[in-house]
Amino acid sequence: AQKITQTQPGMFVQEKEAVTLDCTYDTSDQSYGLFWYKQPSSGEMIFLIYQGSYDEQNATEGRYSLNFQKARKSANLVISASQLGDSAMYFCAMREGQGGGGNKLTFGTGTQLKVEL
Amino acid sequence: NAGVTQTPKFQVLKTGQSMTLQCAQDMNHEYMSWYRQDPGMGLRLIHYSVGAGITDQGEVPNGYNVSRSTTEDFPLRLLSAAPSQTSVYFCASSSHSNSNQPQHFGDGTRLSIL
Repeated sequence: AQKITQTQPGMFVQEKEAVTLDCTYDTSDQSYGLFWYKQPSSGEMIFLIYQGSYDEQNATEGRYSLNFQKARKSANLVISASQLGDSAMYFCAMREGQGGGGNKLTFGTGTQLKVEL
Repeated sequence: NAGVTQTPKFQVLKTGQSMTLQCAQDMNHEYMSWYRQDPGMGLRLIHYSVGAGITDQGEVPNGYNVSRSTTEDFPLRLLSAAPSQTSVYFCASSSHSNSNQPQHFGDGTRLSIL
């Protein structure tokens, strides 16, 4: 079974609108972390936002917020006021356990976001 | 502020050749890892290290070797390159003591095996 599932291969959004990128995960660990990374066409991986399994509040970083629904095992990324520069591939990733075995990440297959005028 | 530095950025090899992808970080991070990125498959973990002298296998380790003699460096070796190893390779590092910190990625090495 997939540990991280991103069901939207591609998404379109108009500039200045909000968009939600879906991510569901599967783990039996009580302690885990969820990360979102952005990969523009230039290829680098850019960290956006983190949510810990014990965090009671949804994480926010500027225009990025994470809609964390623990019971549903979902960690959707919300981008508000989309900009042309947000056009990129977005990856959801999970770290399982406390990290003692290494901060290993399992990645989803990504969602390609295109922001249109 | 260099962060994670990968060399080379591009490389073309013939089947059967060997090579080493270099990775260095200047953040004194204990944890380092190698991922490969293939179309439609996201990033997959090849090998990782939790400190100098300690390495372990990830999801797709076959055909690759690693070593960690210093905190700063974590080279990835392809012993006998195969076309299936054509991919983009990313090195990443993070503070092992605080697993809530994100992994910092290098800019990647685009490797083609002919």
